[in-house]
Order: sequence, then C-alpha cells, then structure tokens
Amino acid sequence: GENVEQHPSTLSVQEGDSAVIKCTYSDSASNYFPWYKQELGKRPQLIIDIRSNVGEKKDQRIAVTLNKTAKHFSLHITETQPEDSAVYFCAASIREPKLSNNDMRFGAGTRLTVKP
Amino acid sequence: KAGVTQTPRYLIKTRGQQVTLSCSPISGHRSVSWYQQTPGQGLQFLFEYFSETQRNKGNFPGRFSGRQFSNSRSEMNVSTLELGDSALYLCASSSGTGGGKNIQYFGAGTRLSVL
Repeated sequence: GENVEQHPSTLSVQEGDSAVIKCTYSDSASNYFPWYKQELGKRPQLIIDIRSNVGEKKDQRIAVTLNKTAKHFSLHITETQPEDSAVYFCAASIREPKLSNNDMRFGAGTRLTVKP
Repeated sequence: KAGVTQTPRYLIKTRGQQVTLSCSPISGHRSVSWYQQTPGQGLQFLFEYFSETQRNKGNFPGRFSGRQFSNSRSEMNVSTLELGDSALYLCASSSGTGGGKNIQYFGAGTRLSVL
C-alpha cells in the first residue's frame, strides 16, 4: 500500500520568511496530493491540492510542487505570518475517475511555528 | 449546509470495554472515512465506507470495525479497548462519486481516553 513520509516534523521560521515542507510517496499510481492545515484544537482543513497532471499550483502565499519521477511533492509558504502556525499534513491517494477511491494516506505532519 | 458531525466529542472508557463512535457526513456525501490521530503517529487511515460498503481498509486490527447506514451516517466500533487506543478519532466525508475534486471534509473528532 501507499506510504507517505513527511519532513521536517517541526519547523520554526521568522515572520516574513518562507517555509517548505516536503513529502515523498511510494505508490507511483497515486495521482492526488492534498495538503491539510490543522490549527490547535481544530479539525484538519484542506488548503491546497494538486493532481498528477500538474507540476505546480499556487494560491496566494501557498504553492505546491510535484515531481512524479522522484515521487515527491512540497508545500511552500511565502511571507509567513503568525497565523500560519499550525500542523500541516500532506496526503496521497489514487483517484480513479469513476470510483474516487478514498484510500488516502497521510504524512506524520509538520508542526510549523512562525515567530513574530 | 451542515458540516460533518461527530458524536460524542469526548469519551472516557476503561481497558477491555468497547466503544461506538458516530459520524454524520455532509448532506449528499456518500463516502465516510475514519482516521486515528495520535501525537506520535499523525493521521492513520482506518477505513472508508461508500454506499454502505467498506471500500478501503487501513492496517488496524480486527478490533476496529465500522458500518454505514443507508442515510450515509457511519459508526465506528472498537472492542476490547487498550490503553494505546487513546486518540482523537476523526471522520471525513466526501462525495465519493468521481469527477472533479473529491475533497474530504473533516469532523471535529471524538477524543477517546482509555484508562
């Protein structure tokens, strides 16, 4: 089955700096890679996702890149703000066009702290 | 539209007991996935139900089981509780019907403490 590894487990940056979180996956059939943000005491919420037919996707200060050959994908947050402090989870799954398989495997999470 | 609802929010049990957790998905969603979240292990996939059938299963022992009803509500059961079962149990719902985005929306979770 799919195995997702996420690094680093903790990340501390100064406000305004960039933060990068990296994930690798094992199943070359995986084609959907969402990122979730979980603030303290709250539920995980989707912040951005990418499909395997796209190499990069941006949404304001966040971007995700995907390297299918190397089987890794990364989350980039620019101009970090204290409210970006949270645990970030990457995930990988196989999305079949008709069944939308939800066998989603998550990374262990990265605790990001943005210091003011 | 109401979000994903999980009950109860908190639960305290003792070793050897069994527990049932409930998840009501977003209206119209047919897929419900369950996850166990612990500080050291992150989000671990338990299983996914779609149209009352278990479609996918993670690597958890048989003590962990679930079911889904015709209205898509799902329950998860853990029998013979162990201390290590203490965790936040999250469910997530999605349309599960293919095409477009199949975003999973999480509930607030049930925090289970086994004493």
